[in-house]
Amino acid sequence: SQQGEEDPQALSIQEGENATMNCSYKTSINNLQWYRQNSGRGLVHLILIRSNEREKHSGRLRVTLDTSKKSSSLLITASRAADTASYFCATDRGSNYQLIWGAGTKLIIKP
Amino acid sequence: GAGVSQSPSNKVTEKGKDVELRCDPISGHTALYWYRQSLGQGLEFLIYFQGNSAPDKSGLPSDRFSAERTGGSVSTLTIQRTQQEDSAVYLCASSLDVRGAEQPQHFGDGTRLSIL
Repeated sequence: SQQGEEDPQALSIQEGENATMNCSYKTSINNLQWYRQNSGRGLVHLILIRSNEREKHSGRLRVTLDTSKKSSSLLITASRAADTASYFCATDRGSNYQLIWGAGTKLIIKP
Repeated sequence: GAGVSQSPSNKVTEKGKDVELRCDPISGHTALYWYRQSLGQGLEFLIYFQGNSAPDKSGLPSDRFSAERTGGSVSTLTIQRTQQEDSAVYLCASSLDVRGAEQPQHFGDGTRLSIL
């Protein structure tokens, strides 16, 4: 069953603009992860945020977590063409090894 | 350092044939996962190996699917009597230890399987 659900399903913005993607989940979690997948490639880990954290930064990436709303957001600032990819959230749903994945947001950065 | 390696990168086969997909995880990673990704979808968990423990096979969709991991390293996913609905990208990931949901998983580029 799908735990995380990303929205929007697709997002197209101009280079230089900020991109925001959201992830909602249904059950309590210990942590939430965001991954990027370029076309035809495997997934690359971006950020892990734990349930007791509200915000994390990594370069141009900012992730927030609101456990009361069971939602997370990924913000990419000053987007670049190379950010074009699909972005997935994954939650642990209380398991220490199994991740449950959303269907992803497809992000297109127009030059 | 070397990442997760999967082979073949593409496989086209006729319905009813058996296929074997290979995954070589990052050296030293004790946890290994197989996922299936259909076009435009998220990842579907198939099977999890952790060290010498019994694998979690709860995600395998049918008894035509099996997997093994030899010597705690290389893993092979076998699909017998392939069906057209088996067409997908099969992704392998590894993580450093048992707490794979609490740390990054490292992915290979997958095997794109097409059943004619």
